[in-house]
Amino acid sequence: EDQVTQSPEALRLQEGESSSLNCSYTVSGLRGLFWYRQDPGKGPEFLFTLYSAGEEKEKERLKATLTKKESFLHITAPKPEDSATYLCAVHGYGGATNKLIFGTGTLLAVQP
Amino acid sequence: NAGVTQTPKFRILKIGQSMTLQCTQDMNHNYMYWYRQDPGMGLKLIYYSVGAGITDKGEVPNGYNVSRSTTEDFPLRLELAAPSQTSVYFCASSYEGETEAFFGQGTRLTVV
Repeated sequence: EDQVTQSPEALRLQEGESSSLNCSYTVSGLRGLFWYRQDPGKGPEFLFTLYSAGEEKEKERLKATLTKKESFLHITAPKPEDSATYLCAVHGYGGATNKLIFGTGTLLAVQP
Repeated sequence: NAGVTQTPKFRILKIGQSMTLQCTQDMNHNYMYWYRQDPGMGLKLIYYSVGAGITDKGEVPNGYNVSRSTTEDFPLRLELAAPSQTSVYFCASSYEGETEAFFGQGTRLTVV
């Protein structure tokens, strides 16, 4: 069965203190791995899509990487406005895995 | 563009009542999804559709029904509301499995 596990559940950083969030996944055939940001009371907002092991994507202070079993979201020199819940999702190929499933998310708090 | 539109934004139901959560997208997307999100948790897939006339169960389908008679619309039906269905419901759509999903603003449902 497809599964997405994120760690840590919560992370508190000081402004400027870099860190990484982890997303471990099992899926029979990966069509795409997605990272989203969710602010309180709002729907998830798309950040990145990764398709194959070794791929990397960057946007401002965020960088996403992918291996065959996990993805990392690296946050470099975070600012308070980066505080949010970060969600990882995978979409598999065909049959019962042809759907988008999410992990439980990492709640990030960046203190000034 | 309107994107994904959900109605209503808020609703209070009494135990045993029924209601339909509406979801419409104007992006000609093939895939549509319904998720529920409980406080501090990730997104749980209720039902999904890969195209008009095709629907399938997700992780937590009990107590819900869906239909997909058109590409644009994907309503979620609650037949006999129970307190366990108190949650925030998100509708999402994507063009294909490899492309990012876009989310609606959510419907906050309380069953009393």
